[in-house]
This record gives sequence, C-alpha cells and structure tokens, in this order.
Amino acid sequence: DVKVTQSSRYLVKRTGEKVFLECVQDMDHENMFWYRQDPGLGLRLIYFSYDVKMKEKGDIPEGYSVSREKKERFSLILESASTNQTSMYLCASNFTPDEQYFGPGTRLTVT
Amino acid sequence: DAKTTQPPSMDCAEGRAANLPCNHSTISGNEYVYWYRQIHSQGPQYIIHGLKNNETNEMASLIITEDRKSSTLILPHATLRDTAVYYCIATFSGGYQKVTFGIGTKLQVIP
Repeated sequence: DVKVTQSSRYLVKRTGEKVFLECVQDMDHENMFWYRQDPGLGLRLIYFSYDVKMKEKGDIPEGYSVSREKKERFSLILESASTNQTSMYLCASNFTPDEQYFGPGTRLTVT
Repeated sequence: DAKTTQPPSMDCAEGRAANLPCNHSTISGNEYVYWYRQIHSQGPQYIIHGLKNNETNEMASLIITEDRKSSTLILPHATLRDTAVYYCIATFSGGYQKVTFGIGTKLQVIP
C-alpha cells in the first residue's frame, strides 16, 4: 500500500525555535514536495526536490529550508519559527503528476 | 507551469451534473491539464488529466476546448461525498515537474 508518512500530526513550538518536519515515502518516488495550507490561501508549494540533494524553490520558500539526503526522506526546516508559520504542512511524493500521494499533514502552531 | 483561474466556489444539487470550469489561457502546447480534489484536510487526490482530447474515467469527464485555453471537469451525478475543493493545474506530464495547486473551487453538493 502506497504510503507517505509525516513525523507528527500536531506540533506546538515557540517563536524562535528551530523546527524539523520529516516526511518519508516508501514508493521509491523521485519527486517530493512540501506545501502549506491556510484558509483562503489554498495549498501553496514551499519546496520541491526531484532527486537526492537536489531542491527547487516553490512559491513561498522564505523562512524555510529543506534537506534530502536520502531518496525516501524529505525534511522541511524552519530555522527560526515565527507565528506566521502556524499552518498545516503537507508532504507529497510522485513519479509523475498523476501519481501524486500526500501524507496526513502536520498542524504546526507557533506561539 | 501555466497559470490557471477557477471560481472560488460553486453549488450543485445532488444527483445533478457538476461542471467545474478552469481557464488556462497561457498553457503551452505540451502542458497537460490535471484535476485533483481535496476532501476536508486530507491531501489532494488525482482525478483525471488530458492534453487536447476529452477524457473520461470512472470518476469524471474532462472537456478541453479546441484552443486549449479552458477546460471543464464534469462530475456526472454529484453526490454529497463529492463536496470538496477541486484544483485545476496545467503542467508537463513527465517526471521532475513541480505541482502547484492554488486556491481551487470549493464545490458544495446540496441535498
């Protein structure tokens, strides 16, 4: 069964903390994605990786970085969390756009 | 990826056909039109895609205009379970493609 997992469903962090969101896929997909979803703003792409150690900025990369050291794992890093990064974060992976699978999401609250 | 424009919301009576429009006037010759839907806070699920010909599968039909500047997703007999946010995307079909979603159309199926 196809699976994308995320390290936490809910996370509460303080302003200024460094935050790691982990995503793992077991489908040997080349492409992995991090999105955030906010009411009224839709689903926005933060970063995209098409291979190990390769990354490409999405529409809203500011305040975030990513790491892909292994094919199955894609990490999103908030270097210094801020309250405007409170959001639902969704990880996804695919071979091609018609085979995109999403994780369950991490609801991050920054206080 | 070509920019797409969708109405923010639509209503449809249960049992009737739901016709969801999408404009993609800057689509390039090799870009496909993809449709996804997102139910509650789950990640979007792929529905259908096409290049220039109309397409049909067990979930929906996709009608693409001859000039390819717009398309319509048709759910032939909408049910309450079809209440969701629907996203239209224009992108290339191969690997290594960014997939960006935007705001989508919130479809409310009314009993």
